[in-house]
Amino acid sequence: AQSVTQLGSHVSVSEGALVLLRCNYSSSVPPYLFWYVQYPNQGLQLLLKYTSAATLVKGINGFEAEFKKSETSFHLTKPSAHMSDAAEYFCAVSHSNYQLIWGAGTKLIIKP
Amino acid sequence: DAEITQSPRHKITETGRQVTLACHQTWNHNNMFWYRQDLGHGLRLIHYSYGVQDTNKGEVSDGYSVSRSNTEDLPLTLESAASSQTSVYFCASSEGASEQYFGPGTRLTVT
Repeated sequence: AQSVTQLGSHVSVSEGALVLLRCNYSSSVPPYLFWYVQYPNQGLQLLLKYTSAATLVKGINGFEAEFKKSETSFHLTKPSAHMSDAAEYFCAVSHSNYQLIWGAGTKLIIKP
Repeated sequence: DAEITQSPRHKITETGRQVTLACHQTWNHNNMFWYRQDLGHGLRLIHYSYGVQDTNKGEVSDGYSVSRSNTEDLPLTLESAASSQTSVYFCASSEGASEQYFGPGTRLTVT
């Protein structure tokens, strides 16, 4: 069965520091991969998606993610954290039946 | 602009009452999904639909039902609300295997 693992339920970084949120997936076929962001009391918003084109995917708000098939990873990065990036981030992989398999989420905390 | 809306945004109800949460999308997507989100459990799929008259159970479907009479709407009904169903509910839609678009959520409290 497909699964998604996000390492670290909470990640804390200083403002201006590199953001790295980790996501590993298990899939028997090349997947579609997604990162979503959820701000407090809001729905989930798509940050970026990988659909088997370029392995480095750029998203909104300066985030990007790199698909590494050999490592079955799709880690999310941002060079310089802003206070406004504080939110919960979810990684997801598409299932053959159009469902998404979700990671448990990582709460990003930005220290001033 | 296309969107997905949910109503009500907040609801308080009593144990045993029937409750219906509305979801309406103007993306013209065939696929629609209902999730619940609870601390420590992430997003869990309740029911989903691939088109009109099609409904399927997700991993936590007990006590919930849906119906799909048109493309735009997938209402979620709690037949007899229980305190364990206190949660935040999200509706989403998609086309094919592409990304899902989410509504703003409904916060339901069962007392």
